This record gives sequence, structure tokens and C-alpha cells, in this order.
Amino acid sequence: EVQLVESGGGLVQPGRSLRLSCAASGFNFDDYAMYWVRQGPGKGLEWVAGIGWNSGGIDYADSVKGRFTISRDNAKNSLYLQMNSLGAEDTAFYYCAKGIGSAGRDWFDSWGQGTLVTVSS
Amino acid sequence: DIQMTQSPSSLSASVGDRVTITCRASETIRSYLTWYQQKPGKAPKLLIYVASSLQSGVSSRFSGGGSGTDFTLTISSLQPEDFATYYCQQSYSTPFTFGPGTKVDIK
Repeated sequence: EVQLVESGGGLVQPGRSLRLSCAASGFNFDDYAMYWVRQGPGKGLEWVAGIGWNSGGIDYADSVKGRFTISRDNAKNSLYLQMNSLGAEDTAFYYCAKGIGSAGRDWFDSWGQGTLVTVSS
Repeated sequence: DIQMTQSPSSLSASVGDRVTITCRASETIRSYLTWYQQKPGKAPKLLIYVASSLQSGVSSRFSGGGSGTDFTLTISSLQPEDFATYYCQQSYSTPFTFGPGTKVDIK
């Protein structure tokens, strides 16, 4: 059974940093692209970033480009999101998602339960 | 960026009703359209991929159609467990944008 477990969320002051982790199990982690998707309180879903199986093909939403960094450690079956210069607009549940598809045109067949990031002073 | 719209934004329906949700892309996405279901406090769940392929384990009362810019999600006979919010998403080009969602609740 595929499991994705996010951690690292919490309350952080504006301008500070936070690093999210996603521990994967139940599938060959290094065969799949992985993604972060977020959802603000009471809002819709927003694709944040994606990374290919070999750490290539990294891409970001314009709203986080230059502030967030996605990475992965295939030896540890883990996905990460380093978030810098956080603002109130980054307050959201952050979901880790497993991509499946072809030629980088992925949809997300498994999701974690999410970790809440709250940016507030 | 490709913009995704959905209609209606919400609907009220009864158990047994046939429900159709529409999703439109601002430019062609061929068939790279995915539908997810989300219940309160839960992660999204994959229902339909590449516009019309049913995800394993998902009830056959869900079906998807369309290509290019216009797509539909149909629930043939609404069940109590189907009351949720439904999102479409394009994966033709990054950023993989989502529609704003359609909330289906009980009439």
C-alpha cells in the first residue's frame, strides 16, 4: 500500500523559513516524479512544485519561485520542500503527491494527509 | 499559464440523481485532464485521468469525457458518499493548474 506522510508544518513568523518532509513507502520511490500541492484554509488546490525521479525536471509555481526549493533523497525515500521568506499567503495545508503519467504530464494517484503551515506573527 | 474553470461552483442534488460537472481549459490540453474528489478534512482522491480513464477502485458510476478544452465529469446515480467537492486539473503543461472546484451537497 502506498503511504505518503508529511511532516514539518507548524506556526512560523513572516519572513522565516520552514522545511517540509514527505516519507514515502509502498512503492519504488525512485521510479516516480513527486509533487507538492497546497490548499489554503477554505480554498482550492494549488500546484506548488514538482521534481522528476532523478531530481531533474524541477519546476515551481510562479507564486513560490525563488523562495521554495523542492528536493528528494531516493536513498531515504523522502521528498522535501524548503520554504524561505514565508508570507501570510503561504498559509495552507501542504500535500505531498505521487505523480504518474508520461513525458512529465503527470496526474497524482496518491496523496499524503497534509501538513499545516501557518504564517503569522 | 492555462486557466481552468468549472461550472457550476456548487450544486444541490438528491441521492439517485444524475449529476454533470463541466471543466473548461483556456487553451487546448488535449486529454490531459484529471478529476479529483475531496471530502472535508481529507486529501484529494483520484477519480478520472486522461479525461475518461477510471482510476482502479473507483465506482463505475463516475465517468469522464471531453478533449481539447471542454470536459465533463458525470455521476450516474448520486450516492450519499459522493457528497464532496470535485476538482479538475490539467497536466498538459506546468504549472499544473486546478479548477476552482464544484461542491456537491444534499438537496
